[in-house]
Amino acid sequence: NAGVTQTPKFRVLKTGQSMTLLCAQDMNHEYMYWYRQDPGMGLRLIHYSVGEGTTAKGEVPDGYNVSRLKKQNFLLGLESAAPSQTSVYFCASSYVGIAEAFFGQGTRLTVV
Amino acid sequence: KQEVTQIPAALSVPEGENLVLNCSFTDSAIYNLQWFRQDPGKGLTSLLLIQSSQREQTSGRLNASLDKSSGRSTLYIAASQPGDSATYLCAVKNSGNTPLVFGKGTRLSVIA
Repeated sequence: NAGVTQTPKFRVLKTGQSMTLLCAQDMNHEYMYWYRQDPGMGLRLIHYSVGEGTTAKGEVPDGYNVSRLKKQNFLLGLESAAPSQTSVYFCASSYVGIAEAFFGQGTRLTVV
Repeated sequence: KQEVTQIPAALSVPEGENLVLNCSFTDSAIYNLQWFRQDPGKGLTSLLLIQSSQREQTSGRLNASLDKSSGRSTLYIAASQPGDSATYLCAVKNSGNTPLVFGKGTRLSVIA
């Protein structure tokens, strides 16, 4: 049982480049989330989805786009990467309502 | 807006001590509260989930309590071990369809 899998695990981008982070879960969870974790800032919500075909903005959505075309996948896109987007990105998923959230192992992104 | 605070930010204790980590939240109308553990360079592992109607949850040497009226939760670790060294994160959910809001964590070091 893989749980929540993030691809890639590490990436270095040049300023202005684009990329997509993939999150896949095999638990049939309705909800999926993207967080970023920065030193001294904790985990901050970027975007989330409450079901296939739906997305919503979180606390820090600027510079990111997301898509949830399939229930098991949640994609996070950076159209034009900036050094301020250097961070560790975590994906999570959960069932609706009273349920614990499960996290992926993270993607460490460096923008130079 | 829900805000979650964890004090202290860092804690160092000798092996064998019992210890308490604190979590406070500003909006007491929470749906549930979850404690996580994060090892360096790794993802988040769920430790305990407390529903709003519960007062505490236990798993092995861990006990988490919840006092909604005062906006507080504590994570009690009995007989600490060096393997308990990690960052412990508290997160709350305000309703069944809202994302988790995280504190910045307490970095615990257990010295042998």
